[in-house]
Amino acid sequence: TQLLEQSPQFLSIQEGENLTVYCNSSSVFSSLQWYRQEPGEGPVLLVTVVTGGEVKKLKRLTFQFGDARKDSSLHITAAQPGDTGLYLCAGRPGNDYKLSFGAGTTVTVRA
Amino acid sequence: EPEVTQTPSHQVTQMGQEVILRCVPISNHLYFYWYRQILGQKVEFLVSFYNNEISEKSEIFDDQFSVERPDGSNFTLKIRSTKLEDSAMYFCASSASYYGYTFGSGTRLTVV
Repeated sequence: TQLLEQSPQFLSIQEGENLTVYCNSSSVFSSLQWYRQEPGEGPVLLVTVVTGGEVKKLKRLTFQFGDARKDSSLHITAAQPGDTGLYLCAGRPGNDYKLSFGAGTTVTVRA
Repeated sequence: EPEVTQTPSHQVTQMGQEVILRCVPISNHLYFYWYRQILGQKVEFLVSFYNNEISEKSEIFDDQFSVERPDGSNFTLKIRSTKLEDSAMYFCASSASYYGYTFGSGTRLTVV
């Protein structure tokens, strides 16, 4: 079983501050996805990264895949209360169909 | 925007009863999945389905579980004899390719 460790587990910041969420593993993943999940809802895909060292931007969100494809980070610039939610990383090992999910980081942005 | 639809949103069942969870994937998607999330725990993979057969399953997906695509649009998960520990949110997902899952909103299953 490929384990994805997310840190921190909880993050509370003031509106306008920056934050970074980390997703680490000892295993190599062929791709890694970031999701956001609201209470009582399914995960919603934010981004997929495939190539080691890849950086993708989605407005104020920046996603990076580590060079060795074992880790990833999500950076939010000038966080807003609307960014509050549970952020999940999920990796696909090798040619598997399945995704292995991290436990998630709960982000709270205070107005 | 196309979405994956799951029914029912909530299901309460007696231990030992059979339940069928239903999903309508996005129409042009080829890959279908079931995941579950026990309260307070990680999202866990159950099974993937492609070309009318199971392509991969986890150790959770034992003989009590089965999946079916009965009519080309629905995708169902059957739990034959439910146990208390089957209580969880069950998510269906579909994808057109190897990347880019779309998850449904889930079915909350409570076994009493």
